[in-house]
Amino acid sequence: EAQVTQNPRYLITVTGKKLTVTCSQNMNHEYMSWYRQDPGLGLRQIYYSMNVEVTDKGDVPEGYKVSRKEKRNFPLILESPSPNQTSLYFCASRAQVLNTEAFFGQGTRLTVV
Amino acid sequence: GNSVTQMEGPVTLSEEAFLTINCTYTATGYPSLFWYVQYPGEGLQLLLKATKADDKGSNKGFEATYRKETTSFHLEKGSVQVSDSAVYFCALIGNQAGTALIFGKGTTLSVSS
Repeated sequence: EAQVTQNPRYLITVTGKKLTVTCSQNMNHEYMSWYRQDPGLGLRQIYYSMNVEVTDKGDVPEGYKVSRKEKRNFPLILESPSPNQTSLYFCASRAQVLNTEAFFGQGTRLTVV
Repeated sequence: GNSVTQMEGPVTLSEEAFLTINCTYTATGYPSLFWYVQYPGEGLQLLLKATKADDKGSNKGFEATYRKETTSFHLEKGSVQVSDSAVYFCALIGNQAGTALIFGKGTTLSVSS
C-alpha cells in the first residue's frame, strides 16, 4: 500500500529539548516536504526536498532542520523547540513530474511546554 | 507569487443540503488545482483534481471545474451527508517542476442529521 508514515503521532516535550519527527514514503517519490498546520493559517510549508541531498527552505523554516540522505526518508529536526512550534505537522511526498498529487502522512501533534 | 483564497468557515448544513465552497487562485501560467479533505484526526487526502482549463474533477459526489477565466475552482456537492463533515482545502501546484503545493486556509464543514 502506498503510504507516507510519520512518527510519532503525538509528542509533548519541553522547551529546548532536541527532537526528531521521522517521515518515510514507499512510493519512490523524489519530492518530499514538511508542513505545519495552525488554526486560521492553514498549511504552511517548512522545508522541501527535490531529491536526495537537495533541500530548501519553505515559507516558515526558522527553528527547523531537515536532511535527505535517502530517497525514502525526510526527518524534521527541532534542535531547540520553543512553545511557538506547538503545532500539527504533516509530511508529504509526490513524484517530481508536473500535475501529480501529493500524499500526506497522518500528522504529528507536537506540544512544546 | 501563487496563492489560493477559499471561503471562510465554518459551513454548517443539514443532511441532503447543497454544498458550495468557493476557491479562487492567483498563479502565473497554468497551475494544477486540487481539493484535499481532512477528516477529524487524520491526514489530508486528495478529493479531486483538475490539471487544465475546463477540466472537471469529481469524486464521491463532489465536483469542481477549473475556470481559467474566473481563476476559480469551486467545490460542489448536490446532497451532503453527515460523513462529509471535515475540513476542505483548495490547493494548487504551479507549472514548473519543483514548485510547492500551495494551500488555502481550509473550510470546516459540519453536516447534521
